[in-house]
Amino acid sequence: GQNIDQPTEMTATEGAIVQINCTYQTSGFNGLFWYQQHAGEAPTFLSYNVLDGLEEKGRFSSFLSRSKGYSYLLLKELQMKDSASYLCHLMDSNYQLIWGAGTKLIIKP
Amino acid sequence: DGGITQSPKYLFRKEGQNVTLSCEQNLNHDAMYWYRQDPGQGLRLIYYSQIVNDFQKGDIAEGYSVSREKKESFPLTVTSAQKNPTAFYLCASSIDRDNQPQHFGDGTRLSIL
Repeated sequence: GQNIDQPTEMTATEGAIVQINCTYQTSGFNGLFWYQQHAGEAPTFLSYNVLDGLEEKGRFSSFLSRSKGYSYLLLKELQMKDSASYLCHLMDSNYQLIWGAGTKLIIKP
Repeated sequence: DGGITQSPKYLFRKEGQNVTLSCEQNLNHDAMYWYRQDPGQGLRLIYYSQIVNDFQKGDIAEGYSVSREKKESFPLTVTSAQKNPTAFYLCASSIDRDNQPQHFGDGTRLSIL
């Protein structure tokens, strides 16, 4: 079957760096997205990878390796407002939408 | 400002009752989606629509129905056949289904009385 795996929860310290991993098994691949979701709110788009490599956007970067079925989201200079769930989402070759369960990131002072 | 609006924010359903959740977008997006999110879980796709007058079932369509009579609007009806409707419902839209990020509404929280 098709699925995405992410860690359920991670804890990090304000000002530090954290890497949230996402592994997937799908029938084909058409792009991978990362979203941020604060508790009780809607998800917001963070990044998109379709080719292998690193995409950088300010404090956030996302990496993709299609051969390994692997992506990560890297958050630098962590701030308390980064406490949220981070959702990995991809589209397979048939444009089917597959979502991970999300990683809850807790930032401590 | 363009955006996607869901209403109501909170909704209560009685046994045997159908309820309809509204979703309107003024982003001129072709594709629209409905998701269900249960506590501590990811998003599960209920229905999606790629274009006006067309929609497709997602992973958990049973007990739900939709319509797409206008590009801007994609209402979701939770029918009495849906036995466990308590959840957070999210509507989203994207330019099209082709590798475009989704923009989400603020969600509707549905509970059973």
